[in-house]
Amino acid sequence: DAGVIQSPRHEVTEMGQEVTLRCKPISGHNSLFWYRQTMMRGLELLIYFNNNVPIDDSGMPEDRFSAKMPNASFSTLKIQPSEPRDSAVYFCASRKTGTYTGELFFGEGSRLTVL
Amino acid sequence: QKEVEQNSGPLSVPEGAIASLNCTYSDRGSQSFFWYRQYSGKSPELIMFIYSNGDKEDGRFTAQLNKASQYVSLLIRDSQPSDSATYLCAVNGAGGFKTIFGAGTRLFVKA
Repeated sequence: DAGVIQSPRHEVTEMGQEVTLRCKPISGHNSLFWYRQTMMRGLELLIYFNNNVPIDDSGMPEDRFSAKMPNASFSTLKIQPSEPRDSAVYFCASRKTGTYTGELFFGEGSRLTVL
Repeated sequence: QKEVEQNSGPLSVPEGAIASLNCTYSDRGSQSFFWYRQYSGKSPELIMFIYSNGDKEDGRFTAQLNKASQYVSLLIRDSQPSDSATYLCAVNGAGGFKTIFGAGTRLFVKA
């Protein structure tokens, strides 16, 4: 089975531009998580969905950030307008609720640089 | 206070030694606890999970959980240079859905 698929792998943009990151979770997984990782703050939970419904978005830093999950196989994280402090690696992860291990499966990440 | 705290390191141990990594968490209702390993430039991958107080062993890895002290640890026996990575402690809160990570401890194993 394919793992979690994220795109783009790398994005370089200028301040003020809109950025859209995409994620396809593992088929059959019903929970999806967006994390942001920086050296200073580590791996921060931004938002997570269960059965396509946003459960907790308290980690979303500002109104500039928004996330959607229109169906079980696709999610987006959008930043508009982007700022240099948004530069980070953004990870999407998925999990099948109720599994014994509770393991999160991560995508390879989207490295965002905002100039 | 951060929800999950780890010493950022770096922790340096010689090859063959025992590496000890520690983590504390703030939510007493937390139900499950994980250790992920992250190599530089890669994504995190699960190496151990533990739900009950006590020790859990898997090969060279032992996870230890003390809920009364809100403390989780990971021991790596016979450390190898290939163990050099960042180790992330993660905790599922009382609802069981939300997984919060610590900032990670960087481990270097010297050959």
